[in-house]
Amino acid sequence: KAGVTQTPRYLIKTRGQQVTLSCSPISGHRSVSWYQQTPGQGLQFLFEYFSETQRNKGNFPGRFSGRQFSNSRSEMNVSTLELGDSALYLCASSLGDRAKNIQYFGAGTRLSVL
Amino acid sequence: AQKVTQAQTEISVVEKEDVTLDCVYETRDTTYYLFWYKQPPSGELVFLIRRNSFDEQNEISGRYSWNFQKSTSSFNFTITASQVVDSAVYFCALSEGETSGSRLTFGEGTQLTVNP
Repeated sequence: KAGVTQTPRYLIKTRGQQVTLSCSPISGHRSVSWYQQTPGQGLQFLFEYFSETQRNKGNFPGRFSGRQFSNSRSEMNVSTLELGDSALYLCASSLGDRAKNIQYFGAGTRLSVL
Repeated sequence: AQKVTQAQTEISVVEKEDVTLDCVYETRDTTYYLFWYKQPPSGELVFLIRRNSFDEQNEISGRYSWNFQKSTSSFNFTITASQVVDSAVYFCALSEGETSGSRLTFGEGTQLTVNP
């Protein structure tokens, strides 16, 4: 079974631009969550999608948004990029949207904002 | 609010030494789940173990063992006879409740370096 796939692996953008990151979950998984990892703030939860609906949202500004498609694939969008958005963005998938579900992570997209 | 604390930022050991990574958590829920993940330099978080709040039995998997103690809100991870390949950042994480989704709260991580 293929794991969680995130594309692209690396991105370089400039301030003010917007970016879209993609995540393909493990086959059969219906929940996709996104996390931001930075040296200063560590791993922080962005949002979770289940059956195309946002289930949970972390404490991030509205510039961060996401969506999920009917095939469970998910995209995350960041508009008006700031230098502080430079981070490793990790996507995780799980069978369901319950706390007990194990989340399996992709290799991440490393975003650099110049 | 939930919180996970990994007080050890970095640990350095020599191969074959045993090493314990500490994890302390805070939660108001009676139902919760604890996880450990490993993050090698490639960046991907690799799942190691899940524990629910009703099961305090310790677990051993090869060289890995976990000690869950609700009385001290701790979920510590021990690697026996460490190897160079164990070098990575290790994260402890918590998710709460039954219906609140699968949101994980992570600790700060412990960078483990195993020297030959």
